[in-house]
Amino acid sequence: ETGVTQSPTHLIKTRGQQVTLRCSSQSGHNTVSWYQQALGQGPQFIFQYYREEENGRGNFPPRFSGLQFPNYSSELNVNALELDDSALYLCASSLGGRGSDTQYFGPGTRLTVL
Amino acid sequence: KQEVTQIPAALSVPEGENLVLNCSFTDSAIYNLQWFRQDPGKGLTSLLLIQSSQREQTSGRLNASLDKSSGRSTLYIAASQPGDSATYLCAVTGEKLTFGTGTRLTIIP
Repeated sequence: ETGVTQSPTHLIKTRGQQVTLRCSSQSGHNTVSWYQQALGQGPQFIFQYYREEENGRGNFPPRFSGLQFPNYSSELNVNALELDDSALYLCASSLGGRGSDTQYFGPGTRLTVL
Repeated sequence: KQEVTQIPAALSVPEGENLVLNCSFTDSAIYNLQWFRQDPGKGLTSLLLIQSSQREQTSGRLNASLDKSSGRSTLYIAASQPGDSATYLCAVTGEKLTFGTGTRLTIIP
């Protein structure tokens, strides 16, 4: 069984640029959730995708957008990067799209915005 | 709005001691509560998950309890080891997964 993988591991961008982060879900899982973790903070929910449709969103502006593909892998896109977007971005996969489902986390992508 | 608080923010204890980490949440309408471990700069490792109908879960030296009515959970670590040093996060699942800010644990050899 393959776990959740994320790419790239690290990324450096400058303010105003755009970035795409990728996540491959655990085998058999149809739901992917994305989280932003600033230094010293707990992860904050960005949004969730279930069977290719957005299935809930946290308090993040529209420049944070996502996509889920037919194989249930997912992308997180961030436009017009700001310095405060520097964080560890985590994705988690689960089966079922319900709040009660156990989520399995990937290793994260560390984004630095200069 | 669900809020999750973890106290203390940091804790240092000598190797071999038993210790308790605390987590409190404001909305008792949860599906489950999960404890995670996070090593510096790394992702999250799930330690224990307690369903809302359960009172506790055990895994090896770890025991987690849940009191939904009072909005509290504890993570008990027995016979601590230097390898237990990490940040411990609790998270509750309602409409979404809401995390606390974590307790940074250091075990002193």
